[in-house]
Amino acid sequence: DTAVSQTPKYLVTQMGNDKSIKCEQNLGHDTMYWYKQDSKKFLKIMFSYNNKELIINETVPNRFSPKSPDKAHLNLHINSLELGDSAVYFCASSLAGEETQYFGPGTRLLVL
Amino acid sequence: DQQVKQNSPSLSVQEGRISILNCDYTNSMFDYFLWYKKYPAEGPTFLISISSIKDKNEDGRFTVFLNKSAKHLSLHIVPSQPGDSAVYFCAASGLVNTGKLIFGQGTTLQVKP
Repeated sequence: DTAVSQTPKYLVTQMGNDKSIKCEQNLGHDTMYWYKQDSKKFLKIMFSYNNKELIINETVPNRFSPKSPDKAHLNLHINSLELGDSAVYFCASSLAGEETQYFGPGTRLLVL
Repeated sequence: DQQVKQNSPSLSVQEGRISILNCDYTNSMFDYFLWYKKYPAEGPTFLISISSIKDKNEDGRFTVFLNKSAKHLSLHIVPSQPGDSAVYFCAASGLVNTGKLIFGQGTTLQVKP
């Protein structure tokens, strides 16, 4: 009965590869987010989607492309991975208009 | 330009005592503030929040205080328990109603038995 789930939990890959992280929520929320936690532990928003529509797109390289097939899923595809992409990526969800966001367990990405 | 700051990277308190975690912000447009708790290898878990129209919100052992004039909020945990040991993040929202949360860098709380 996991509320917000992410797969995979760990991802180790080589520079230049393309990888995807999946996120699903069963809370009935209509807004989903991707955050990145870097080596300095800052959590920074990358994207948000509301009902499959892109709402927030922070200054993120266009190698990162979110895709929302439906309002319960928000996947993150990363092309041409770089060393600096190594981080923990968190998915979150909320109801539109509500401030409280619920986070997934994170995906730990290591680019070698 | 860090808009939300938690200036204490760590805090250690004795079980049963009060823990006070602090957070400062710079943007007066923020109108809602949240505290999240994070255990290692897990995602942040929502703890408590406060709207800018209030100066205090209480939920069991957790109380958040907001001082808008000082752009400062604090989280009080009393009594502290060993299970409270975690990283606590302060977050702020309200920028053009985007749902965007701006996080502080976190404070690691250790509660000693």
